[in-house]
Amino acid sequence: AQRVTQPEKLLSVFKGAPVELKCNYSYSGSPELFWYVQYSRQRLQLLLRHISRESIKGFTADLNKGETSFHLKKPFAQEEDSAMYYCALERADKLIFGTGTRLQVFP
Amino acid sequence: EAGVVQSPRYKIIEKKQPVAFWCNPISGHNTLYWYRQNLGQGPELLIRYENEEAVDDSQLPKDRFSAERLKGVDSTLKIQPAELGDSAVYLCASSLVGDEQYFGPGTRLTVT
Repeated sequence: AQRVTQPEKLLSVFKGAPVELKCNYSYSGSPELFWYVQYSRQRLQLLLRHISRESIKGFTADLNKGETSFHLKKPFAQEEDSAMYYCALERADKLIFGTGTRLQVFP
Repeated sequence: EAGVVQSPRYKIIEKKQPVAFWCNPISGHNTLYWYRQNLGQGPELLIRYENEEAVDDSQLPKDRFSAERLKGVDSTLKIQPAELGDSAVYLCASSLVGDEQYFGPGTRLTVT
């Protein structure tokens, strides 16, 4: 069965520290993976998708098929990065979300 | 552009009562999704529409949940009767076929 696992419910770092939000998936096939973000009092929005291979707001994510991972990274966290982050797998136009990781960036 | 519009934003009802949620997608988006997000969980798809056709309703509890998308635009999700376990945030999203999904603000349902 397809599944997305985000092992950390909460990740706390200080401003300027590196950030890595972990995401592992199980899927028999070529996955399409996404990171969604929800800032406080805002709606869920797409942050990035693996096929675009672009950096958004300084975040990058590399698909590692050998480790079945799609970790989200940023070298220097900012206070405005504090939010809820969800990893998602797309199968047949259906998104399967992980349980999310709350990132807190302290000044 | 207002984005995906949902109403109401909050709803408190007693168990066994009916409740309905409304969604207006982004203009031109032919695909519409209803998700349920339980506390501490990610969103889970309930139903997906392509225009007015429900193409994936495998996760919709059909004994008490129903949905419709008349004329392929607005959509309504109904629960009748509601149970305590239905307390959650109900999210609507829309997209062009195969493109990025845009989410609404959600409706927070509390069943007492």
